[in-house]
Amino acid sequence: DQQVKQNSPSLSVQEGRISILNCDYTNSMFDYFLWYKKYPAEGPTFLISISSIKDKNEDGRFTVFLNKSAKHLSLHIVPSQPGDSAVYFCAAILNTGNQFYFGTGTSLTVIP
Amino acid sequence: DVKVTQSSRYLVKRTGEKVFLECVQDMDHENMFWYRQDPGLGLRLIYFSYDVKMKEKGDIPEGYSVSREKKERFSLILESASTNQTSMYLCASSFPGAGVFGQPQHFGDGTRLSIL
Repeated sequence: DQQVKQNSPSLSVQEGRISILNCDYTNSMFDYFLWYKKYPAEGPTFLISISSIKDKNEDGRFTVFLNKSAKHLSLHIVPSQPGDSAVYFCAAILNTGNQFYFGTGTSLTVIP
Repeated sequence: DVKVTQSSRYLVKRTGEKVFLECVQDMDHENMFWYRQDPGLGLRLIYFSYDVKMKEKGDIPEGYSVSREKKERFSLILESASTNQTSMYLCASSFPGAGVFGQPQHFGDGTRLSIL
């Protein structure tokens, strides 16, 4: 049972525009969320996180939004750059800290 | 910078063989993890360890075991490899936080394992 879902397997965006990657979850006991970025032939690297006590966290071009009532989070990349082309995974941690779930990933292509 | 090193990038083994996947981290992390990544399924946790000689089952431990004799090294063992264990295997490590998964994990580059 997939508790963290990324319903868009792929996304294409023009360079300079905004990329929005979405993630839905089912368990209201998740209280910490992360985004990882993965290039081909490399392991995932941590990108940005957000605690459930916040609804927004920003780091440079990357902003994560959390809507707890909708059980939805999104990653915004502005402006998108070709080097952002990668697979993005969202992940959620249960409030006990002892359960961790990854989404299935969204492949982002930024077109120059 | 954290370095998580997996011993092999590509590995081909035969059905029934005992397979060892090795992982070493250089940041003195207490926690280490083994995942497998399959298309459409994301990353699934096989086993994790929060201390030397300690191990806990993840979501899909069947057919696998692990060993953590030293803090920096975490080994995944396929006791008798089967074709459905063909996958990308990823090792990760982290400091402890609020719970085992409370801190972001640092991943190795993965081992692509094929079982023939």
